[in-house]
Amino acid sequence: DAGVTQSPTHLIKTRGQQVTLRCSPKSGHDTVSWYQQALGQGPQFIFQYYEEEERQRGNFPDRFSGHQFPNYSSELNVNALLLGDSALYLCASSLATGRGRGLPGELFFGEGSRLTVL
Amino acid sequence: AQSVTQLDSQVPVFEEAPVELRCNYSSSVSVYLFWYVQYPNQGLQLLLKYLSGSTLVKGINGFEAEFNKSQTSFHLRKPSVHISDTAEYFCAVARRQTGANNLFFGTGTRLTVIP
Repeated sequence: DAGVTQSPTHLIKTRGQQVTLRCSPKSGHDTVSWYQQALGQGPQFIFQYYEEEERQRGNFPDRFSGHQFPNYSSELNVNALLLGDSALYLCASSLATGRGRGLPGELFFGEGSRLTVL
Repeated sequence: AQSVTQLDSQVPVFEEAPVELRCNYSSSVSVYLFWYVQYPNQGLQLLLKYLSGSTLVKGINGFEAEFNKSQTSFHLRKPSVHISDTAEYFCAVARRQTGANNLFFGTGTRLTVIP
C-alpha cells in the first residue's frame, strides 16, 4: 500500500518564478493538507482540500493556491516566488473527520518537496 | 489562537537513559494534542495523541505522554531510549471545533541518543 507520495523531491527556482508541487494521498484517503516547513521550524499549515474544494486556510497570501483532483491527488502552486518561500513543503493525507470516518489529527505525511528560491 | 512551545530545541541523552521532551500550549478553546516524529529524510509520523479520557496516553515505540490541563502541558516521555530514537519531535495541537485536521506545530526538539 503506497503511502503519500510527493514530487518533485527537490527543485530550485529564481525569484518571481512560479512553482507547482504535486501530491498523491495514501490509498483510501480523501483529504489533503499542505504544510510549509522552514529550516529549523515546525510545519505551518497552508490549506486543506476535501471534495475538490479548499476547506481551511492558514495565514498564507493568495500567491499560494491549490487544487484537488477527482482522484484526491492535489497540487500546490506558488506564484511570484520570494526568497522566503524556500522551505520543505509537506503534503499530508487523511480521512475526513466528519461522519466518524477519520480520527482527529491522524495525518500521514509525505517526505516533502524541498524548494530553494535563489 | 493557538500556540505551542517546545522548551528545548535540542536534547542529548545517553542510550538506555530516560528522556522527557517538554511541550506547553496555549489556546482559547479546547484542543486535541499530538506528538509527531520526523526521522532524517522522512516525513512526519504520528507518535501518539490525546483526544479525551485518560490523561496518560501511550504511543508507538514505547513513548507516552501526559496531558496536564492545569499546566497546559503535554510532555513526552520514554523510560529507556535507543539509538533509533534519534529524530526531531514535534508537539502539535488542533482545535476541537474545526475537525481537528488543521494542526499547529511547535518548533521541534531534536533528540540525539548517544551510544
